[in-house]
This record gives sequence, C-alpha cells and structure tokens, in this order.
Amino acid sequence: AQSVTQLGSHVSVSEGALVLLRCNYSSSVPPYLFWYVQYPNQGLQLLLKYTSAATLVKGINGFEAEFKKSETSFHLTKPSAHMSDAAEYFCAVTRSGNTGKLIFGQGTTLQVKP
Amino acid sequence: GAVVSQHPSRVICKSGTSVKIECRSLDFQATTMFWYRQFPKQSLMLMATSNEGSKATYEQGVEKDKFLINHASLTLSTLTVTSAHPEDSSFYICSARPNNQPQHFGDGTRLSIL
Repeated sequence: AQSVTQLGSHVSVSEGALVLLRCNYSSSVPPYLFWYVQYPNQGLQLLLKYTSAATLVKGINGFEAEFKKSETSFHLTKPSAHMSDAAEYFCAVTRSGNTGKLIFGQGTTLQVKP
Repeated sequence: GAVVSQHPSRVICKSGTSVKIECRSLDFQATTMFWYRQFPKQSLMLMATSNEGSKATYEQGVEKDKFLINHASLTLSTLTVTSAHPEDSSFYICSARPNNQPQHFGDGTRLSIL
C-alpha cells in the first residue's frame, strides 16, 4: 500500500523567506511523486514530479523538490516566497508510473506574510 | 498544454434534484478520467475511475447509484449526483491523463444543496 504524510497542515512564512513544505511517503514499490498547488475554488495545478530520474526536481514558479529514498521524503522548497505563493499544497504518490491512481496527502496551507 | 474543462463551476439546487457535472479533455483524448470529492480544508478523496466505453470503477464506500458516471466518448465524462441532499454538498474535481503524463485537473464544481 502507498501513503503520503504532509507534516504541518499550516505553514506561515514572510515574503522573501525560504519555503519548506514537508512530505514523507510510504511505498512498497518505487514511487512516482508529485506536488500540486490549489488556489481557492480551483482545481489542482502540477508543480513538479519525480519519476525515477534526477532526484532533484525543478518545477514551475521557482519550486523544487528533492527525492531522498533513505528518508522516504520529497520535501518542497522555494528560496524566496512571494505573496502569490499563498495557496494549498498537496503531495501525492502513485505506483504505476504517471498514469496510476493518485494518493494525496492531507495538504498544507501556505500563508505568506508581507 | 493539456487542458481539462469542468462545467458548471458552481451549482445551487434544492434537495432531491439530480445534478450533472461534465468533465472534458479539450486537446487530448482520455480513456480514463478520475472523479474526486473535496471537503472544506481537506484533501481530495478519489470517488471513482471513469473508463471510456465501460463501467466506472468506484472506490470503497462510494455509492454507485448515488454518483452515476458515464464516459461515452474519449473527451467527455459526466458525474450525476442523483437525488442530491445537503450532505452531498461538496467540491467535486475531475482529472484526466494525456498520454503518459501526470493527471491534469479541472477547476472543480462547487455543489450546494439547499
């Protein structure tokens, strides 16, 4: 079985500060991992994905994530937060490539303070 | 890029009404689409996998007769909430997969049953 745990349901940072959103996964097979962002009353937008190639993955809007097998983690980071980054972030895992069912974490609300 | 269109974006109706939500893949064909339900401040819960030309696969605990899914073409899947009641009020999101790409999500439908 696969699962995803996002540590911290709410993260608050100042504008310009480092953003770190934590995600740990559990999987009996090599996982494919994703980060999605959701703005209010909208669907999900893919930020980045890990598909067993490079362990450091760069995504859109300056975000990146590093796959660490030893720590079963896939934390999302951004060097400098913008006000527009305030949103809900979801980590997700799937087992059968890009096309399998996604299992989502609980979500982390990112607040950016001016 | 791949676009998934969901309609309507918001529905308000009386208890006992049946409501149909459409999910379209605009620039690609999708043999499989997914339907999710999201409660406020919570993660996405997969309801069912919609398969073109065959029956949908429902997740455990999801009532097939309450949530009817039809995937009659390669670009359209519909979710019908039958005899909706206030407890069915939620945010419903669909997704579809372009060839070997991660799931792309619609913008969701806010369903409010009075």
